[in-house]
Amino acid sequence: AQSVTQLDSQVPVFEEAPVELRCNYSSSVSVYLFWYVQYPNQGLQLLLKYLSGSTLVKGINGFEAEFNKSQTSFHLRKPSVHISDTAEYFCAVSNLDTGRRALTFGSGTRLQVQP
Amino acid sequence: GAVVSQHPSWVICKSGTSVKIECRSLDFQATTMFWYRQFPKQSLMLMATSNEGSKATYEQGVEKDKFLINHASLTLSTLTVTSAHPEDSSFYICSARWLAGGPETGELFFGEGSRLTVL
Repeated sequence: AQSVTQLDSQVPVFEEAPVELRCNYSSSVSVYLFWYVQYPNQGLQLLLKYLSGSTLVKGINGFEAEFNKSQTSFHLRKPSVHISDTAEYFCAVSNLDTGRRALTFGSGTRLQVQP
Repeated sequence: GAVVSQHPSWVICKSGTSVKIECRSLDFQATTMFWYRQFPKQSLMLMATSNEGSKATYEQGVEKDKFLINHASLTLSTLTVTSAHPEDSSFYICSARWLAGGPETGELFFGEGSRLTVL
């Protein structure tokens, strides 16, 4: 079985400040890792993904994440946030070895950017 | 990227009635679609995996007779909430995997979601 833990339910931050949203995962096999963003009453939009190769992954809207296998982490970062980044962020994992194609999501982190 | 569309985006119904939600992949074929449920301020919980041309696979604790899933074509899956009750009120989101003939990327594309309110 696999699981995803997002340690912070809410992260308040001032505009133009840097931010890190934490994500840890647990799996007995290799996984793919994702970060999705959800705006109110909308579906999910992919920010970035890690499949293989370079552990530093760059995504849309200036976000990036680093895969750390030894710490089983995939933290999301942005050097300078904007008001428009206020949203819910979900870390997710996909375990392909078992043939299971669905994503397992973390509980989400609410990013609140304040002026 | 690939587009997944859901309809309706919101629906209000009376207790005891049935509601159908459609999920369409607009520019690609999806042999597998997934239905998630999201309660307010909570994460997405997988309800079932919809397989084109065969029966859906339900997650533990999800009533298959209550949440009927039909995946009749490569671009359409439907979720029918039968005899809906207030506790079924939730945000339902579908997703599909885009297999473009290349390496498996694992990425899912999500619909806009459907908010169901049962009075």
